[in-house]
Amino acid sequence: QVTLRESGPALVKPTQTLTLTCTFSGFSLSTSGMCVSWIRQPPGKALEWLARIDWDDDKYYSTSLKTRLTISKDTSKNQVVLTMTNMDPVDTATYYCARIPYGDYGYYFDYWGQGTLVTVSS
Amino acid sequence: DIQMTQSPSSVSASVGDRVTITCRASQGISSWLAWYQQKPGKAPKLLIYAASSLQSGVPSRFSGSGSGTDFTLTISSLQPEDFATYYCQQANSFPLFGPGTKVDIK
Repeated sequence: QVTLRESGPALVKPTQTLTLTCTFSGFSLSTSGMCVSWIRQPPGKALEWLARIDWDDDKYYSTSLKTRLTISKDTSKNQVVLTMTNMDPVDTATYYCARIPYGDYGYYFDYWGQGTLVTVSS
Repeated sequence: DIQMTQSPSSVSASVGDRVTITCRASQGISSWLAWYQQKPGKAPKLLIYAASSLQSGVPSRFSGSGSGTDFTLTISSLQPEDFATYYCQQANSFPLFGPGTKVDIK
């Protein structure tokens, strides 16, 4: 049974760095083709893909946010960590992690965490 | 950059109606498209991948079609639990979601 769970602060101040952890079970990120992504959703708005880390430790970032994002993994702990620097109120959103079983059909998200709401406010 | 659009942005429908949602990519993406359903306060749920493949456990009233730039999600007979927002997603190396289509009760 595949599960993912996001954890991190619910409130951060402007200019601070956000660190979110995705803890997963039911699969291994060392298995060929497995990837984990972060996606966010501001209140009442659409989904926005942020970053992806692959089984071979390749990393990919949203073009518009790449200077602020870092994604990493700890395979032994089944965790993926996302850091986002210089937080701003417009970064207020629910942040999701999701699994990608990459294969012939591209990068789609088959399992999602429940999401964690991060509010940026002083 | 690829842009994704969806139409309509919202649709009002009744239980039993056939509902069709369209997604368009600004350039060809072959069949690398997925559809998700999202209910308020919940994470998105994968419905369709590879444009037309039904995710395991998803009811057969959901179907997807299309390739290249134009794609369609069809709900053949709308059920009460289908009132939600639907997103398409281009599934290449830098995923991009459409703006969403809200299906609500007429």
